Amino acid sequence: NAGVTQTPKFRILKIGQSMTLQCTQDMNHNYMYWYRQDPGMGLKLIYYSVGAGITDKGEVPNGYNVSRSTTEDFPLRLELAAPSQTSVYFCASRKTGPQNTGELFFGEGSRLTVL
Amino acid sequence: GDSVTQMEGPVTLSEEAFLTINCTYTATGYPSLFWYVQYPGEGLQLLLKATKADDKGSNKGFEATYRKETTSFHLEKGSVQVSDSAVYFCALSGKAAGNKLTFGGGTRVLVKP
Repeated sequence: NAGVTQTPKFRILKIGQSMTLQCTQDMNHNYMYWYRQDPGMGLKLIYYSVGAGITDKGEVPNGYNVSRSTTEDFPLRLELAAPSQTSVYFCASRKTGPQNTGELFFGEGSRLTVL
Repeated sequence: GDSVTQMEGPVTLSEEAFLTINCTYTATGYPSLFWYVQYPGEGLQLLLKATKADDKGSNKGFEATYRKETTSFHLEKGSVQVSDSAVYFCALSGKAAGNKLTFGGGTRVLVKP
């Protein structure tokens, strides 16, 4: 089972460049999330989505944008990369409804460096 | 807002030692509580959870009890192995829209043979 798949795994950007981190899940989960993890720190929520066409800001949304055109995909876009966006980014999803256990399923992460 | 505080690491132990990682939380109402584990180079995996007061979550020899009176969810293991070396995150899921998880800062555990 693929679960949550993120690409790319590693990327180096120059200041001011743009890029999109891809996230797709094959579990038919309605809820999806983007977190960032800074060195030695916990995870901070960037954006989340409760279903196709619906997105909302988390704790640290500045400098990022998201879209959710399908249930499976939840890409994260950085428009003007800054060194402060150097981090490891995790996409996650969860079930809803009667089978919801509260568990988040995480991708393996995307390590982004902005120089 | 919701918040989770857990002890800072790193915690260095010898194999077969007892491990405790403290976790306390602040939340409105009765959140669900989780421990996630992150092995080197990997994403986070659910280790255990508890959804109501006095529930005990357990998995792979780890245990944690949901203590409403002390707003705590401390993680314990009686005899650690080298393979338990990882970063451990305490988290809560509140009742806000999106059922977002709020994470603690993580505790790095290193078990030496």
